[in-house]
Amino acid sequence: VQLVESGGGLVQTGRSLRLSCTTSGFTFSDYVLSWVRQVPGKGLEWVGLIRSEDYGGTTEYAASLRGRFIISRDDSKSIAYLQMNSLKSEDTAVYYCSREARPDVSSAMRGGDEYFQYWGQGTLVTVSS
Amino acid sequence: SYELAQPPSLSVSPGQTAKITCSGDKLEDKFASWFQQRPGQSPVLVIYQDDKRPSGIPERFSGSNSGNTATLTISGTQAMDEADYYCQTWDSSSVVFGGGTILTVL
Repeated sequence: VQLVESGGGLVQTGRSLRLSCTTSGFTFSDYVLSWVRQVPGKGLEWVGLIRSEDYGGTTEYAASLRGRFIISRDDSKSIAYLQMNSLKSEDTAVYYCSREARPDVSSAMRGGDEYFQYWGQGTLVTVSS
Repeated sequence: SYELAQPPSLSVSPGQTAKITCSGDKLEDKFASWFQQRPGQSPVLVIYQDDKRPSGIPERFSGSNSGNTATLTISGTQAMDEADYYCQTWDSSSVVFGGGTILTVL
């Protein structure tokens, strides 16, 4: 199992940026992917997740980011994306993608016992004017 | 919104037991995971579903969850265990991380 983030870099305040999480070693379409970020020197912050298409491909976001950040997936390429709009200086962080341990199941079966077993190496996004 | 609280830091001597706590309202009704993060590295899962250890994680790592507190215990702490540790749980469909604990082994 491998997850490799890319697309980070320096971007101006107010602009947009799209990150990619390119995966291999597993059946991408079966799994929930999450994005987690970490401001340098600070803690982990969950950004959001995307369910498998079998279960609607629905997305969930941290309340503070809902509306500016959009997660999508391309199962044909085994890639998850994080579209970040109207970027602010406080969005400066390392962005990780992470995969849950088990394939996705129906919402009724998701009981909060899911866990993040695999992580990418992260990609740094720096937002500056 | 749901919150998890961790002590900012903890120091232990090599060979001693480190207990890192994670507090949240009725946390025992949820599952807790723990992640280790060394400087410049990605998080590594060390405990999931309160007390389960992934393959490859040393037996000295254990977890528990009771009442409002989940605890990560590192028995016989080694220098290599020096790292940041984060607890995590789910609140409905959202993920919540604790603020992290810096474990110093000296």
